[in-house]
Amino acid sequence: DQQVKQNSPSLSVQEGRISILNCDYTNSMFDYFLWYKKYPAEGPTFLISISSIKDKNEDGRFTVFLNKSAKHLSLHIVPSQPGDSAVYFCAADTGGFKTIFGAGTRLFVKA
Amino acid sequence: EPEVTQTPSHQVTQMGQEVILRCVPISNHLYFYWYRQILGQKVEFLVSFYNNEISEKSEIFDDQFSVERPDGSNFTLKIRSTKLEDSAMYFCASSEASGPGSNQPQHFGDGTRLSIL
Repeated sequence: DQQVKQNSPSLSVQEGRISILNCDYTNSMFDYFLWYKKYPAEGPTFLISISSIKDKNEDGRFTVFLNKSAKHLSLHIVPSQPGDSAVYFCAADTGGFKTIFGAGTRLFVKA
Repeated sequence: EPEVTQTPSHQVTQMGQEVILRCVPISNHLYFYWYRQILGQKVEFLVSFYNNEISEKSEIFDDQFSVERPDGSNFTLKIRSTKLEDSAMYFCASSEASGPGSNQPQHFGDGTRLSIL
């Protein structure tokens, strides 16, 4: 099931700079897109979401952009902090009862 | 902040044995989910549950798997006859709402690591 793809397994960013995590999807029926953050030995934690009818949603240091024509979304973190180092999962919801996750991108923020 | 709790944190079981993974969702949540993550792979949806019945399940969730809400607080995942490939981290999640038009994120527990020997 490759409906949600995160093609970069890892990303390294300097503290204070912008982190951009990317996600592509194939199913045009997805209703909502979500980003989750996961630390080792913990479950995923919800970060931010965006409805398919919007192109941008912002919450503090986190902004998600959605480009429906390209079936692409991205998460921007600015400024990046060492505590942001984690695995970030892109996820998509058809508006049903099922959420499909991408493979995750491991973000390293260097101090 | 209320949280989803899962027990045990690590379960070791012999192949062919039955295993029950337990979850206590957030108390006012109505929708419950199980996911699994095989080591190094993506988080995979297994099943969603609402109003005492399965809402949706994936192709992974075959006849060896079952879910139950035996009382007002627990939500369990049973694997009847475990196989080596069932070894994974199993995450329980809950949400206030789900379905079309919903934007309620799921809250995840910290998972149960299931090791099949």
